[in-house]
Amino acid sequence: AQSVTQLGSHVSVSEGALVLLRCNYSSSVPPYLFWYVQYPNQGLQLLLKYTTGATLVKGINGFEAEFKKSETSFHLTKPSAHMSDAAEYFCAVSDSGNQFYFGTGTSLTVIP
Amino acid sequence: SAVISQKPSRDICQRGTSLTIQCQVDSQVTMMFWYRQQPGQSLTLIATANQGSEATYESGFVIDKFPISRPNLTFSTLTVSNMSPEDSSIYLCSVEEGYNEQFFGPGTRLTVL
Repeated sequence: AQSVTQLGSHVSVSEGALVLLRCNYSSSVPPYLFWYVQYPNQGLQLLLKYTTGATLVKGINGFEAEFKKSETSFHLTKPSAHMSDAAEYFCAVSDSGNQFYFGTGTSLTVIP
Repeated sequence: SAVISQKPSRDICQRGTSLTIQCQVDSQVTMMFWYRQQPGQSLTLIATANQGSEATYESGFVIDKFPISRPNLTFSTLTVSNMSPEDSSIYLCSVEEGYNEQFFGPGTRLTVL
């Protein structure tokens, strides 16, 4: 069975500082990994995904994530936070089927 | 990517009533999914809806409470029946596009009094 753990339900960073949102997963098969962002009163938007190939994945809005199999992690980073990055971020894992498993989410606050 | 719309965007309902949520996609898709996001929590899959067959429900969700229709490849509805305050959530539909990638609608915010 697959599961996702997001460490830290709330993360605050200063504008211009590094953003690091943590995600660890468990999977019995090679996983497909995703990060979604949810802005207030909106649905989920795909930030980036890892399926196969290069372990460092670049997404939209300057975000990237690195798949580390040995650590079963898929942490999301952005070198410099912007006010518009304030949102809820969800990590998700999927097996080769269609079932997605979401983490509990991390709320990112950007302090001016 | 597919453009997904949901109606209504939000509603406030009385206990014991039912609400039908519509999900419309701008392209034909095989698989559609319905999720629930309870306040402060993550997404939980309710069911998978394929056109031409009965929806497949996840553990803890039953057809009598959450009947789903999938009349064609671009449309689906989810009904929340006999509502109670515990049903207050955001309900999202999603579709699968490409390989193992899901796109989400904007969600329906339901408050049950």
